[in-house]
Amino acid sequence: EVQLVESGGGLVQPGRSLRLSCTASGFTFGDYAMSWVRQAPGKGLEWVGFIRSKAYGGTTEYAASVKGRFTISRDDSKSIAYLQMNSLKTEDTAVYYCTRAPTGWGQGTLVTVSS
Amino acid sequence: DIVMTQTPLSLSVTPGQPASISCKSSQSLLHSDGKTYLYWYLQKPGQSPQLLIYEVSSRFSGVPDRFSGSGSGTDFTLKISRVEAEDVGVYYCMQGIHLLTFGGGTKVEIK
Repeated sequence: EVQLVESGGGLVQPGRSLRLSCTASGFTFGDYAMSWVRQAPGKGLEWVGFIRSKAYGGTTEYAASVKGRFTISRDDSKSIAYLQMNSLKTEDTAVYYCTRAPTGWGQGTLVTVSS
Repeated sequence: DIVMTQTPLSLSVTPGQPASISCKSSQSLLHSDGKTYLYWYLQKPGQSPQLLIYEVSSRFSGVPDRFSGSGSGTDFTLKISRVEAEDVGVYYCMQGIHLLTFGGGTKVEIK
């Protein structure tokens, strides 16, 4: 069974940084692309970005809203994907989900950007 | 970027009655591999999204057969043949042919 557990969320001031982690189990992590999706309070789902598997170069893609500020990386030896978020803005406030799209989703971790 | 447009925004359905949600994409979701990368999710209150339908019309494991998906190219539909109380939540379509994009969501409630 695919299991994904996000961690690292919390309250952070605008302009600061935060790193989220997604710990995976139940599948061969290194074989899959991993995505991050966020959901602002009361809003819909927004794709943030993903990282391909090493077999496909391990390259990344990002939504325009976060490009240049967010970085996704992965440690296949630990089955963990990371989302490094820099220069955070109030509009980045959301629940952040890790997903092995389309089937596996974590429970999400809340990031609140506020002074 | 591919834009996904869902209608209606909300639905109020009597238990046992059918429901239908439309999703239109700004570009064809048919890949050269022959698959069409259109998915349907249900997000129940306070939960993560759960996959209902993949590749337009295939039900994911454990999904009741009252849920069905259809469509092709850029026009897709999710149908619930007989809505039950446990079907309340927000339904999203998602394209996976180029990056990922979600529709705006359709909130389904019970009358």
